[in-house]
Amino acid sequence: QQPVQSPQAVILREGEDAVINCSSSKALYSVHWYRQKHGEAPVFLMILLKGGEQKGHDKISASFNEKKQQSSLYLTASQLSYSGTYFCGTLGGQFYFGTGTSLTVIP
Amino acid sequence: DTGVSQDPRHKITKRGQNVTFRCDPISEHNRLYWYRQTLGQGPEFLTYFQNEAQLEKSRLLSDRFSAERPKGSFSTLEIQRTEQGDSAMYLCASSSTPKGSDEQYFGPGTRLTVT
Repeated sequence: QQPVQSPQAVILREGEDAVINCSSSKALYSVHWYRQKHGEAPVFLMILLKGGEQKGHDKISASFNEKKQQSSLYLTASQLSYSGTYFCGTLGGQFYFGTGTSLTVIP
Repeated sequence: DTGVSQDPRHKITKRGQNVTFRCDPISEHNRLYWYRQTLGQGPEFLTYFQNEAQLEKSRLLSDRFSAERPKGSFSTLEIQRTEQGDSAMYLCASSSTPKGSDEQYFGPGTRLTVT
């Protein structure tokens, strides 16, 4: 039931945009997004509770397509501080983190 | 509020020994989660509590693992007869939102090394 993320890794230059996708084989009722920097604990970014919902703060936003059981995280005008591993997460009895996407922003 | 705390931060133990970790959640949070994370992998769910009740337990969790949350405040995770495969970062998270939302705040983790 672990959600699958794509791409597995991406390297960006500062100012470039990126999209991270999260797909589930099971029905999604909510989607969480977390970022984890090397050697640190995951940090909550946002949660989407229903299909069609879009959220964002700063230059990071996300969408949730309940019918397709997919969510996407959009990072625009990336900054060096965006580097880290991004995980989606879903709640289905227990909480499942996705396979992760490593994002590296270089100057 | 100082956030979620975990103790110890690092633990080195010999195979076969028992270890116990403690997690103190954010004070008003009623949900508490335990995860295990190995290098290069995402956090793997172990168990979670709502107040003092243990509501879910991963099928991957062997009977050597046990968790408690007496009085619905701090929680302990015990691993008996440790094996080298238990070496990992053990993360605790807490939340206070209703089921379906669950914005989780993570502690710094306890890194376990089994020699």
